[in-house]
Order: sequence, then structure tokens, then C-alpha cells
Amino acid sequence: KQEVTQIPAALSVPEGENLVLNCSFTDSAIYNLQWFRQDPGKGLTSLLLIQSSQREQTSGRLNASLDKSSGRSTLYIAASQPGDSATYLCAGAGAGSYQLTFGKGTKLSVIP
Amino acid sequence: KAGVTQTPRYLIKTRGQQVTLSCSPISGHRSVSWYQQTPGQGLQFLFEYFSETQRNKGNFPGRFSGRQFSNSRSEMNVSTLELGDSALYLCASSLTSGRYNEQFFGPGTRLTVL
Repeated sequence: KQEVTQIPAALSVPEGENLVLNCSFTDSAIYNLQWFRQDPGKGLTSLLLIQSSQREQTSGRLNASLDKSSGRSTLYIAASQPGDSATYLCAGAGAGSYQLTFGKGTKLSVIP
Repeated sequence: KAGVTQTPRYLIKTRGQQVTLSCSPISGHRSVSWYQQTPGQGLQFLFEYFSETQRNKGNFPGRFSGRQFSNSRSEMNVSTLELGDSALYLCASSLTSGRYNEQFFGPGTRLTVL
């Protein structure tokens, strides 16, 4: 059964700093890994999807990488802004199931 | 293209009642998945529907059920509500069923059980 862990649970950084959010998973036979953003009380916004044959994806200031052998994915945010403040969740679908298994998220605060 | 829509956005019910939540997927998407989000458990998968058939089911009691219509719209029903059912219920749509499909989420329905 796929398990997904995100550390740290919360992170506070000053505006302009580059940062990395971490996601680890137990099933290396992962089929895809998706990063989401969630604002308080809102739904999830898909940021990046990395399929198992890919190593990374980029969108604007965001870059996500996937290393199946080590069971890790990272989300890199360049030049952070206060508007980036949100909870970031990663989710993966493993070999045994079609469903997405989510981490508990990292709550990011970018201080002006 | 319109995103995933969920109605209602907020609901307040009392214990023992039942509730029905609705989800309209992105146009052309045929798979709808439902998730429950609570502060303690995080996001947990409830079930997935594709072509009006339940494809996958999470580890929830039989009080949680769902269905999908021919236009891909989906409903989720919770009977005999318990206090612990208070949560944000999210639905997600994707083009087809399967592990490779990107999922797009709606804004959620906030259910409060008193």
C-alpha cells in the first residue's frame, strides 16, 4: 500500500527566498506523482504532474522532480512571494491502485 | 473551459440525517473520484466512478455511497450521519480512469454534522 510523507509540516520563509518542499513515498512502482496547492478552506489546484517515465516538470517558478529509486519527489519554488503562501500536497498512484494517496501537506508561509 | 463544480458549497446537518452531494466534472471528463479531507486524517479516497460504474472504493463504511449519471455528473450520499463525518468533501475529475490521469479538483463541499 502506497504511503506518502511530507516533511516539514510547516515552513516559514522570507519573501524572495528559493525553497524546496519534500515528498517521500514507499512504493517505488509509482505511476505518477502530482503536486497540488490548497488555500485555506478551498479545493486543490493542480500544479504539476510527473509521470513515471519523466524525471521532472517545470511551470513558471515551479520545478518538480521525481526520483523513483529513492522514493522521493521535490517541489522547488524560486523567488518565493507572499501569494505562494498555502498548503502544498503531493499525491501518488502506486502499482496496486488507481487512487491517489496524499501526504498530509506542508503549510508554507512567505513573509513579506 | 469550466472547472469542476460542486454543490452545495456548505451544509449543516444533524446526526442521523442523510445528505447528498453533487459534482459536475470538467466537460469531456468521464471519471469522477471523491475524497474526504479532515484535519486529523488528511485526504482520504472514497470511491471512483467511470462510465457509471464504481471502479475503486476506499476504506469507508457502507453509509457512504455514490453514483454517476450518463452525463458523467456524480452524486455522493452519506446516510445516518455521525459527528465524525464533518469534513470537506472534494471531488476530482479526469479524462479517463487509470493511474496516469491528471486529476482536477473542485472547490469542495464543507459538511458540518451537529
